[in-house]
This record gives sequence, structure tokens and C-alpha cells, in this order.
Amino acid sequence: GAVVSQHPSRVICKSGTSVKIECRSLDFQATTMFWYRQFPKQSLMLMATSNEGSKATYEQGVEKDKFLINHASLTLSTLTVTSAHPEDSSFYICSARSVDDEGTSSGNTIYFGEGSWLTVV
Amino acid sequence: QQQVKQSPQSLIVQKGGISIINCAYENTAFDYFPWYQQFPGKGPALLIAIRPDVSEKKEGRFTISFNKSAKQFSLHIMDSQPGDSATYFCAASPDSNYQLIWGAGTKLIIKP
Repeated sequence: GAVVSQHPSRVICKSGTSVKIECRSLDFQATTMFWYRQFPKQSLMLMATSNEGSKATYEQGVEKDKFLINHASLTLSTLTVTSAHPEDSSFYICSARSVDDEGTSSGNTIYFGEGSWLTVV
Repeated sequence: QQQVKQSPQSLIVQKGGISIINCAYENTAFDYFPWYQQFPGKGPALLIAIRPDVSEKKEGRFTISFNKSAKQFSLHIMDSQPGDSATYFCAASPDSNYQLIWGAGTKLIIKP
């Protein structure tokens, strides 16, 4: 199946600094990518929907100035956590929808990255 | 109307048994129903998915049963193995925006 790569898989940063997480679709083009946050033993919480070449759409309650999302190409979206605080420590996961599947019965196939553990100390 | 309700929250099944996880939805605009498997510390992996035009889809030991009139769908894992122990999420998506609405997850433990 399609592969979505996230980097870094784990990152520790100091409080007040910014950290960038990359999400790449390795063998397909993705017009739409999604960023999730997951707390231990809980379901995924959608943070924002990222569309190539346009501004991201943020879910209610998600600070767009704190969680900067850039979808500069059909294979790359980035999430930057700015001025990170310990409460931002979490598991961040991206997913991507395959453009190649458009118009087919699998046009909604969403592939997930392996996730990135962020610890803010 | 946007919710997807998943049950049970946790499930213990003996090796070789059948694991059954259920989900229910309200929004009739949903037309894509995937199941994801997630191991601790890893991102979810697409297991199997179904659209409303079929009532059942089977891939190996995994089967989705779909009941459109009841707005319910379920995952059946046949001959469950210890390696199947993971958290399983159902989801639903309307064709319009491809945004997944997630169930709360089921922690499955297969006892050897």
C-alpha cells in the first residue's frame, strides 16, 4: 500500500522553542493531508486539514498561530509547533489522501504516517 | 450526527476465537467506512474498508459487515492471533471532504 513518512519519529525540545514535523507521501501525490493529535489511550483528534497550495483549515479550538501548517507540495506537509510548552507534549500523526485514487472506488483511501512523539521539557 | 459510536471499549478473546467490534453512525452522508489497526506508539494502519453498496467485504481473516438500514458496521477477526492484539478504530467519511470521523477505539487482547 501507499506509504506516508513522518519525521522525526521522536523529538525532545525545550519549552519556548519551535519544532517542525514533516509528513511526506512517498509513492503518491496528496492534495489533502490531515494532522491529528492523540493522547494516551484516546482516539485521534483532528487538528487541521491541509490542502496543497492553500491555507490549512483548523478545527475548533486549535490555535492556528501555534500550530503552523504548510502544504507546499503534493508530497509534503509540515506542522510547526511554535513556542512549545509541556502541555503540547503529545503524539502527532499525519495522514494523506491519495490523488491517484480520485474517481475510483478507493478515492477516499487515507494513509497514515507512523506518528511523531513530541516531548517538551 | 457526526458521531461514530464504537463498542466495546475493550475486548479479550482466546486465541483462535472470533473478535467482533461494532460501530454505529447517524449521518447518512457517510459513504466510506474504514477500519484501522494501531499498535502502541505507532500510527494507525488501514486494515480494511467498505462502501455502502456492498454488505460484506472480506480480506483474509478480516471481514467487514455493513448494515445500511441499521447504520451499523462491524469488524470480524476470524482465528484471532496474539499478534492481532492492538487498538482498532472504526471511522466514517462523507465523499465530500474525505474527513474521517473516528470511533473511540477498541483495545483488543488475544490470549494465547
